[in-house]
Amino acid sequence: QKEVEQDPGPLSVPEGAIVSLNCTYSNSAFQYFMWYRQYSRKGPELLMYTYSSGNKEDGRFTAQVDKSSKYISLFIRDSQPSDSATYLCALIQGAQKLVFGQGTRLTINP
Amino acid sequence: DSGVTQTPKHLITATGQRVTLRCSPRSGDLSVYWYQQSLDQGLQFLIQYYNGEERAKGNILERFSAQQFPDLHSELNLSSLELGDSALYFCASSDGGSTFYEQFFGPGTRLTVL
Repeated sequence: QKEVEQDPGPLSVPEGAIVSLNCTYSNSAFQYFMWYRQYSRKGPELLMYTYSSGNKEDGRFTAQVDKSSKYISLFIRDSQPSDSATYLCALIQGAQKLVFGQGTRLTINP
Repeated sequence: DSGVTQTPKHLITATGQRVTLRCSPRSGDLSVYWYQQSLDQGLQFLIQYYNGEERAKGNILERFSAQQFPDLHSELNLSSLELGDSALYFCASSDGGSTFYEQFFGPGTRLTVL
């Protein structure tokens, strides 16, 4: 079993829709939870991070962590075509090693 | 632009050969991380250096090695290359301090082994 599970999609939604992206993890020792966005042929870029359970909001993006269920989510409101990318969850435990999910390819259709 | 540079952008080589990938971290960042991204395995952590010393190791093969030089740039050496080594190789950097979780990724080197 992988340490972090993420549905690779692809996920296709109309512009303006609310998008929900999710990951589950198995190791309760993970402490930091991140979401990265990767455009085609580019390196990943950090979107959001959270340290503990709860919600964190940044503009149209909301990250949610439920440590009891080992479940993390990223919500995108009022989705735009420019949000089309691959979204990767990433978790850190102890030493500064990121463990990434498989990534979900998202397409927002105009 | 993340401020992390990687060279070369593309590399095509044959099985059994050896290649070197180079990374320059963002100005002021002491930590360098190497990742491999393939279609079937996703993004996998290989190795981390902090101020010239190895800090953490991931799923790095024995045929692969890395180092970080006094000017903080890093090189990833891949030897006895196999077809399965074809992938995108990313370098990332962070300050290694309180914001270690925020890693800035370079544009990657696409390696094709024929």
